[in-house]
Amino acid sequence: SQQGEEDPQALSIQEGENATMNCSYKTSINNLQWYRQNSGRGLVHLILIRSNEREKHSGRLRVTLDTSKKSSSLLITASRAADTASYFCATDELANSGYALNFGKGTSLLVTP
Amino acid sequence: DAGVIQSPRHEVTEMGQEVTLRCKPISGHDYLFWYRQTMMRGLELLIYFNNNVPIDDSGMPEDRFSAKMPNASFSTLKIQPSEPRDSAVYFCASSLGGTVDTEAFFGQGTRLTVV
Repeated sequence: SQQGEEDPQALSIQEGENATMNCSYKTSINNLQWYRQNSGRGLVHLILIRSNEREKHSGRLRVTLDTSKKSSSLLITASRAADTASYFCATDELANSGYALNFGKGTSLLVTP
Repeated sequence: DAGVIQSPRHEVTEMGQEVTLRCKPISGHDYLFWYRQTMMRGLELLIYFNNNVPIDDSGMPEDRFSAKMPNASFSTLKIQPSEPRDSAVYFCASSLGGTVDTEAFFGQGTRLTVV
């Protein structure tokens, strides 16, 4: 079953602008992870935030987690054309599937020069 | 390490044929996952293994799908007989210790087209 749902489905910005993507989920989680997928390629892990964390940074990436609202956001600052890709959030459910990640349908980001 | 290796990268087959997708996880990883990606349904977890043992196969769509992991360095996903609606990109991923605390590493995927 799909857990995370990203918003918006598609986002188009210009280089230098910031890009914000949101993710909502339904049940309790151990952690929430963000992945990136370039066209025709596999997914690449970007950042993991645990359920007891509220914010995390990695380079130009900033992730927030609000467990009371069951939501997360990914902010990419000073975007570059090379950031063009699809971005997925994935949650690790506490029940049933145990240690597997469930992905949303992703946000398609286009950064134009 | 070369990462998760999947083969073939592309597969075109006729309806009714058997299809076998292969995956070599990262050495030392004890979890292996098979996902399917389509435009309509996004990324779906099909099955995952821990130490070569299938843990959860509730995502396998039908009995036509089967997966095995005979050893720690090899897994297969088989579709028999294949149908056009099986057309998708199939990803294999592996992780160390599960995804409770760690990331999953994905292969490049196998794009399957059933005509």
